[in-house]
Amino acid sequence: DQQVKQNSPSLSVQEGRISILNCDYTNSMFDYFLWYKKYPAEGPTFLISISSIKDKNEDGRFTVFLNKSAKHLSLHIVPSQPGDSAVYFCAASGTRDDKIIFGKGTRLHILP
Amino acid sequence: EADIYQTPRYLVIGTGKKITLECSQTMGHDKMYWYQQDPGMELHLIHYSYGVNSTEKGDLSSESTVSRIRTEHFPLTLESARPSHTSQYLCASSRNYGYTFGSGTRLTVV
Repeated sequence: DQQVKQNSPSLSVQEGRISILNCDYTNSMFDYFLWYKKYPAEGPTFLISISSIKDKNEDGRFTVFLNKSAKHLSLHIVPSQPGDSAVYFCAASGTRDDKIIFGKGTRLHILP
Repeated sequence: EADIYQTPRYLVIGTGKKITLECSQTMGHDKMYWYQQDPGMELHLIHYSYGVNSTEKGDLSSESTVSRIRTEHFPLTLESARPSHTSQYLCASSRNYGYTFGSGTRLTVV
């Protein structure tokens, strides 16, 4: 039973436009959420995180929004660049130093 | 420059062979993890360690074993490889929150 769900296996976005990646979770005990980016044949790299006490966290072109009542978070990338083409994993943990549960990932294609 | 290293990057091996996947980190992290990932699927935790001489099985049942004799080293061993073990294996470490991942080992058992 998946606790972290990414229902879109893939997403294509025009270069320069906004990319929005969505994630839902089922465990109300999660209080820390992360996004990782993964290129083929490489390990995931940390992108951005958000604590459950916040509803938004911004880092450059990347913004993560958290809606606790809906158990939903989203990652916004604006403007999208060719180097953003990768698989993005949504992840969550119960405490900041606990094990992390990952979703299946969304493959983002940035079109020229 | 990577602070967590996995070797080999790619491995093709015959059924029944014993293999060890290496993972080392230079960050002094106490917590280390092994995840298994198949294409299009989530990362599944198969083993973790919170320090030397401490190892636990993860959420996904695995026939592999691990050891943690030194803080920086967390190798994973398959005593007898099978085609069902074909997957990508990712090692990670952590101090407080968030993981740093290695580049992974792509294992193919033929």
